[in-house]
Amino acid sequence: ERVLTQSPATLSVSPGEGVTLSCRASQSVSSNLAWYQQRPGQAPRLLIYGASTRATGIPARFSGSGSETEFTLTISSLQSEDFAVYYCQQYNSWLLGFTFGQGTKLEI
Amino acid sequence: QVLLQESGPGLVEPSQTLSLSCSVSGDSITSGSYYWNWIRQLPGKGLEWIGYIYNSGSTYYNPSLKSRVAMSVDTSRNHFSLKVTSVTAADTAVYYCARGLMVRGLMSAFDIWGQGTVVTVSS
Repeated sequence: ERVLTQSPATLSVSPGEGVTLSCRASQSVSSNLAWYQQRPGQAPRLLIYGASTRATGIPARFSGSGSETEFTLTISSLQSEDFAVYYCQQYNSWLLGFTFGQGTKLEI
Repeated sequence: QVLLQESGPGLVEPSQTLSLSCSVSGDSITSGSYYWNWIRQLPGKGLEWIGYIYNSGSTYYNPSLKSRVAMSVDTSRNHFSLKVTSVTAADTAVYYCARGLMVRGLMSAFDIWGQGTVVTVSS
C-alpha cells in the first residue's frame, strides 16, 4: 500500500496570506496525485489532478506541483472560503488501491 | 450538470448488510470514459476508498474490505450500488459515491461527488 503523509496536520494562517501544503508518498506515484478540498459538512471537491492540472472551475490561486514522492499544493492569497481540510490522493496503482492522506486543516 | 445522489438506510444493525445506491443524473452512466467509486469517511477521520466499478460491471475493491464488499451497476436505471456484509460499529461512516475520470485511457481523480449519506451501525 502506498501511504501518503501530509504535513502539517494543522496550519494557522490569515486571509490574504499564501500557504504551501505538503504530501509525501511512501513509494513513487509518478504524477498520479490529486488534491481535494473539504469544507465542514460538505463532500470533498477536486482541486488538482495529475499533480498540477487544475480541475474545471478551480481558481488560479490554487496550484499543484511535484512528482514521484514529493508534492505540494500552494494557495496564494487565501480567501475566507479556503479555510477547510485538504486531502491528497494517489491513484497510481489500481492493483494496490487508491489511498488518501490524513488531511491538513487550514484554520484562521 | 452531472449530479450523484446516495440513498439507503441510515441505520443498520450489527452483523447485517449495509446497502446503498448512487443515482446518476444529468448524463448516462454509460457515456464518456468514467469509472464509479464508493468512498467513506469515518467519524472525525479521513477518507477511505472502498472500491470502483465500470459500467461494464468489472470491479476492484480495497484489499482491506474486499471480503465484505460487493458493487453492482444498473445501466437501465442509471445507478450503481454498494453492499457491505457483516457490518460492525467500525463501519459507521459517511458514505460517498464519486465519478472517476479517465485521462488518456488511465484512471484519474474523482471529479464529481455525491453529498454523502450517514450510515450508523447500531442495535
